[in-house]
Amino acid sequence: NAGVTQTPKFQVLKTGQSMTLQCAQDMNHNSMYWYRQDPGMGLRLIYYSASEGTTDKGEVPNGYNVSRLNKREFSLRLESAAPSQTSVYFCASRPGLGELFFGEGSRLTVL
Amino acid sequence: AQKITQTQPGMFVQEKEAVTLDCTYDTSDPSYGLFWYKQPSSGEMIFLIYQGSYDQQNATEGRYSLNFQKARKSANLVISASQLGDSAMYFCADNALPSNTGKLIFGQGTTLQVKP
Repeated sequence: NAGVTQTPKFQVLKTGQSMTLQCAQDMNHNSMYWYRQDPGMGLRLIYYSASEGTTDKGEVPNGYNVSRLNKREFSLRLESAAPSQTSVYFCASRPGLGELFFGEGSRLTVL
Repeated sequence: AQKITQTQPGMFVQEKEAVTLDCTYDTSDPSYGLFWYKQPSSGEMIFLIYQGSYDQQNATEGRYSLNFQKARKSANLVISASQLGDSAMYFCADNALPSNTGKLIFGQGTTLQVKP
């Protein structure tokens, strides 16, 4: 029962470095999402993908890119990390308009 | 922009008492639905309960229930008989407009502490 798996769990970057957060789900969901969580801000949607081959911006897309590689996988890339991108990142998937299923989160620190 | 508002940053409740966590939304989409999630200190997001706008009765899941008032655009979570394990952050979420996009937006969260 893997559900939604995201890697890495922790990462420390220097300003300007790049990295990719990987996410995979095994529940055959069409929709996948990337959120970031910051203290006092709740969860904010970065990008989402309603189906394989489609992606769309959420509330805070600047500084990020995404790739929906196939139905299972949805990756989030930081091309040039900034301290403002220090956050906890959650990947999620969803069957239709039902509840979101979340990964365990990835804690990213940008120095 | 569409907003989900949770006005209580922090709440305290005595063990075994009931507590209500507030959530208001500003959507006018008739197909919206409201979700509540729990995030314990370990960090995972746990789905608690869902209320559809066309549901005739307030949703109930064990000790969790929704006090859904359309006229006030509120969907408050009621936790009955609080337990120490209920100490966590709680998030309300709603389908962003248009709701058929599948985007779900969240409120800022409420931290609940249950006192023994």
